[in-house]
Order: sequence, then structure tokens, then C-alpha cells
Amino acid sequence: DTEVTQTPKHLVMGMTNKKSLKCEQHMGHRAMYWYKQKAKKPPELMFVYSYEKLSINESVPSRFSPECPNSSLLNLHLHALQPEDSALYLCASSQAEGMNSPLHFGNGTRLTVT
Amino acid sequence: AQSVTQLGSHVSVSEGALVLLRCNYSSSVPPYLFWYVQYPNQGLQLLLKYTSAATLVKGINGFEAEFKKSETSFHLTKPSAHMSDAAEYFCAVSDRGGGNKLTFGTGTQLKVEL
Repeated sequence: DTEVTQTPKHLVMGMTNKKSLKCEQHMGHRAMYWYKQKAKKPPELMFVYSYEKLSINESVPSRFSPECPNSSLLNLHLHALQPEDSALYLCASSQAEGMNSPLHFGNGTRLTVT
Repeated sequence: AQSVTQLGSHVSVSEGALVLLRCNYSSSVPPYLFWYVQYPNQGLQLLLKYTSAATLVKGINGFEAEFKKSETSFHLTKPSAHMSDAAEYFCAVSDRGGGNKLTFGTGTQLKVEL
């Protein structure tokens, strides 16, 4: 069982919809991440939060809006997405933002944009 | 920028045979290096990491990897493959001073045959 929980597991949305992806961890980790993974491709970093503050935004389009309400929760708000945004969205956490602390991944939300 | 190259997008071995998955990194200074495994419809799970403490790193599920600076390599091995090892394997690198920006290789799909 993964210690990082993502909901929903699957999501289908139209291009005019607004939806949110949720991620939760109770390991006391202070860094949380969103990755996007297309089929047969490696994960690509989208955002990093460190101590609940956004520390890295990899030039992600504004139709993706991250939010970190507290140290255990991470949301990704979606609005006006395009079909090419269909992918597996992975949340991860680590003890801190230093690289001695490995990332723990959730099982992802498989998003389909119609 | 840091990068890793995984040679062979698909590797097939017989059950009980040696597993060797190749990873070469590009960096002017020894980076942090990781191997992750991804089973179908799941997130990524850390197999092992190199952070300069020892060049031979032992991980979970019987996997190990050896950091060779002279060859800029971090190949993953397992003496005897099991059917349950069939999965996608990603090598990843991070700059020591660059926060938690993991850069993944393109992945190697391991197939284990009877």
C-alpha cells in the first residue's frame, strides 16, 4: 500500500469543466510534488511545494493551479484543459527539499480530457 | 543540465537469469542517482539511491547498483530474475544543489519469461 493517497483514481472531464485532484500524506513530509506522466514516457515535474510554499513551477500553463492547504494536503485545480493534457498525474512527497530524501509517490490519477 | 540515458527501452530475460539495466549520467560533479520501478497502473517506487556514501548500493527486492565515476554509470542488477520483476524501471538524477528536481531517464521495460 502506498503512503501517499491520491483521489480520484480516474477522472474524465470536458474542456470546459473545472475539477480538482487531491493528494494526502501523513508521513510528516514537508515537500510535495506534482508530476505529469504521458503513456510510455517518464514523469515530468510540474510543481514543488516546500513547507507549504510553492518553490518550483516548471513553466506549467495556468490552466493547472496547485494549492497546498497544509503540510499533509496538495491539490491540483484544473480548468479549461486540452485533450493533450490527458495523462497520469502523480503526487509525491519527501521529508524535505534536499536530495538526500527520496520521493514517495502515490498511484496517480488517470485523467482523460474529452 | 543533469541528464541520464537508459540504454535499451526493452529488456527481456528468462526467469532466474541475471538482470542488467543500464544507466549513464551526464554531470560535471557526482550527482544524486536513483532507480525507481513502476508496475502497471501504479506510481513509482524507490528501489535504491546513491548519495556518495558507498559506490555499491543495495536496494529492495534483491536489486543493487554500482556507481562508477570513471564510466559515469549507475547500472541496476539483480542476480536472478523473478516473474514479479516485470515492470518499467526508471533511472533518475538530481543536482546536489538543485533542490528536488528529479530528471528521469526514458525508462526500460523489463520482461521476464519462463
